[in-house]
Amino acid sequence: QVQLVQSGGEVKEPGASVKVSCKASGYTFSTSDINWVRQAPGQGLEWMGWMNPKSGNTGYAEKFRGRVTMTRDTSTNTAYMELTRLRFDDTAVYYCVRGLSGSLVLGNRFDPWGQGTLVSVS
Amino acid sequence: QSVLTQPPSVSGAPGQSVTISCTGSSSNLGAGYGVHWYQQLPGAAPKLLIYGNNIRASGVPDRFSGSKSGNSASLAISGLQAEDEADYYCQAYDYMLNGRQVFGGGTKVTVL
Repeated sequence: QVQLVQSGGEVKEPGASVKVSCKASGYTFSTSDINWVRQAPGQGLEWMGWMNPKSGNTGYAEKFRGRVTMTRDTSTNTAYMELTRLRFDDTAVYYCVRGLSGSLVLGNRFDPWGQGTLVSVS
Repeated sequence: QSVLTQPPSVSGAPGQSVTISCTGSSSNLGAGYGVHWYQQLPGAAPKLLIYGNNIRASGVPDRFSGSKSGNSASLAISGLQAEDEADYYCQAYDYMLNGRQVFGGGTKVTVL
């Protein structure tokens, strides 16, 4: 089955960087974008950006530009999200999720989601 | 403040029906982009529930239904069950914003 498995939780100090991995299986990695979404404790979902595994092209939400980098290793079907200059309010669960393309109506949906990686900044 | 607006909470007794609204604008829902709904059970990752406005994802009971009209969309749950208690999020593409994917703030469904 299609699955995204993320790396384990991290504890970081303010100003440090964190790199979260997301290993895909059950489908052809290059055919779908990988998006990253985060959720602060008790809060809603916040989209961070996308990466095309085939080309390596990326697009980031304005809020994270300059601090986030999304990359991939096609030999291991793994996507990565690195966030630098961590702040206390970056404490959140970070999810990778496959983006499914399609028509205007059917496209841009997210399925499946990884299990989430808790990043604590303290 | 989320680009898509949802009520923070709705509640209903078992067997009743509830509806969650999702209001956007001319650059997302009003532009014709589909709305997608996710269910997040306590302590779990979100799961795709409804996509393309009204298509149930694989394995989703037909108690869940979606609709969209203009700048607004709705998720309806009929025959409410205890296991439906969760957070629900709407999501769509927005061509105006640099953050091109947008979510609603989420709605907590409580089964009384």
